[in-house]
Parts: sequence; structure tokens; C-alpha cells
Amino acid sequence: RKEVEQDPGPFNVPEGATVAFNCTYSNSASQSFFWYRQDCRKEPKLLMSVYSSGNEDGRFTAQLNRASQYISLLIRDSKLSDSATYLCVVLNTGGFKTIFGAGTRLFVKA
Amino acid sequence: GAGVSQSPRYKVAKRGQDVALRCDPISGHVSLFWYQQALGQGPEFLTYFQNEAQLDKSGLPSDRFFAERPEGSVSTLKIQRTQQEDSAVYLCASSSQGVSAYEQYFGPGTRLTVT
Repeated sequence: RKEVEQDPGPFNVPEGATVAFNCTYSNSASQSFFWYRQDCRKEPKLLMSVYSSGNEDGRFTAQLNRASQYISLLIRDSKLSDSATYLCVVLNTGGFKTIFGAGTRLFVKA
Repeated sequence: GAGVSQSPRYKVAKRGQDVALRCDPISGHVSLFWYQQALGQGPEFLTYFQNEAQLDKSGLPSDRFFAERPEGSVSTLKIQRTQQEDSAVYLCASSSQGVSAYEQYFGPGTRLTVT
């Protein structure tokens, strides 16, 4: 079983839709969580960190559920420019190894 | 300001050849990471440097892979006797802090094709 698992999608949604992705992690010692975005043939870029209390940045909301060991990303009012692969990232306590999920592909259609 | 740069952007190697991939991190960044990304997958951690010290090399797939950062800035990932399964995009990332729980800034990657 992979340490970080994501639904690969693709998710095909119309502009203006709300879409949510989940990501599960297997190591209960994981301490830091992030969502990165990767456009086709480009490098990953940080979208947002995920805090225990949940956090919001504009149309994006991230939440952490330690008991069930998953994090989520909610995108409201989807834009065409949101089309990308969303990577879930986990860091374990005391380590430097950054673990990426395989990514969830999102296509937003006009 | 300048971001993370990598060279070459594309490399074609014949099986058995040695290759060297270069990463220039953002100036002053303490942390440097190397990743391998296969098509359709997320980046896989290879190794981590804090300044010139290689603190984690647990992700290097075999002893054919070697990384260095001798002066705590530029880093080189070397792959000896390349194999077809080494074909991938190799990404370098840097971070301003000495721990990895901070934003990582990625370079554009080197796409390695082994024929």
C-alpha cells in the first residue's frame, strides 16, 4: 500500500462547479501536509499548507482529519485555469522525506 | 528574482552511459531536494541536503545514483550506467529553511530518456 493515496480522476467539471478531492495517508506519525498544483509538463507549485484547524485561501479550502488520516481540498466556483493535477504531500515526524501522492487530475470545462 | 534552474532541460543517453544533472537553487536556500517523476506519477523523493550535508538519501533507487552539493549551493545528481528504467523527469527543489516543512520551490526539471 502506498504511503499517500489519491483518486487519480480525472474529474471533469463545468465552470462554476464545486469539486472536492481526498487524500489518505498511512503513517499516523505524519506531521505536515500540503497541496501542490502541477500543470501539464510544468513543475509543481505550492497551492496551500493544511493546518489542523483547517484553512481557507479564497476559493480553496483544505482540511485535515487526523483520526481518519486524510486531508481534503475543496475548490469552489471552479475556473478554467484550475485545470491541473493536484498533488497531496505529506511529511513524517522527524524526517526530511517529502511524500507526494500520484495526483488527481482536474479538467474544468466552459 | 531568479528561481531554481536545472540543466540540461533534456538529456538523451544510451543505456550504460553516465549522466550528470545540475541544479542551481534559489540563492541562500538552505534545503535542497531531488525527486524523480515518472509519467503520470507524483514526484518520488530521492535525497535531501541541508547546506552541504546530505541528511537523507533513502530514496536513491540504487548505488548507481549519487548526489552532491559540495559548497552548499549548486547540486549535481549523477547516474552511472544508465538503464531504461531511469527514464523520467528529475526535479530539483529548494527551500529557505533548514527543515522540510516549508514551501519547496521547484525547478523545471531535466527530462532524461535512456535509449
